Amino acid sequence: QITLKESGPTLVKPTQTLTLTCTFSGFSLSTSGVGVGWIRQPPGKALEWLALIYWNDDKRYSPSLKSRLTITKDTSKNQVVLTMTNMDPVDTATYYCAHRSITMVQGVQSHNWFDPWGQGTLVTVSS
Amino acid sequence: DIVMTQSPDSLAVSLGERATINCKSSQSVLYSSNNKNYLAWYQQKPGQPPKLLIYWASTRESGVPDRFSGSGSGTDFTLTISSLQAEDVAVYYCHQYYTTPLTFGPGTKVDIK
Repeated sequence: QITLKESGPTLVKPTQTLTLTCTFSGFSLSTSGVGVGWIRQPPGKALEWLALIYWNDDKRYSPSLKSRLTITKDTSKNQVVLTMTNMDPVDTATYYCAHRSITMVQGVQSHNWFDPWGQGTLVTVSS
Repeated sequence: DIVMTQSPDSLAVSLGERATINCKSSQSVLYSSNNKNYLAWYQQKPGQPPKLLIYWASTRESGVPDRFSGSGSGTDFTLTISSLQAEDVAVYYCHQYYTTPLTFGPGTKVDIK
């Protein structure tokens, strides 16, 4: 059974750097085809994808936030860390991490959907 | 970026009646090499993370009731709840995983009439 759990500060001040940790179980980020992504959701709003990291250290970022994001993994600890610099009140959101896999589908390597997701952690940006 | 739109924004349906949610992508999410539509549907209840309902546009996730079905191809997709139950009250999101940046629709809120 795959589970993920986000942890980090609940309150950060504007201009500060946010560091979130996703701790997971039921899979290993040293296994081929495995990835973890971060997605956020401002209160009452839609989901926004932020970043992805794969077992081979391939990293992808949302173009609109790329300059502020860094995603890393610690395979030995089963953790993925997301840092976001220069936090602003508009970054107030619930931040989720989620499992993603790459599989062969009818002979084609396919990057799949997010499943499952962690419970999320609400981060408020306020002075 | 592939922009996902959904309609309606919200709908209220009587218990036991059909609910239909539409999702449109700004470009095709059908990959010709494997004839798969890279489109998923999620259900999100208040205070909970999104739950996967449908992937490949029409494949129901294990454990999801068969009243949920997905259809469509290319740029136009539909999620249908054939007989709405009280526990189906939620926001539903479509999601394209065809390419990065990965994107989600704005959500459709489903309530009981």
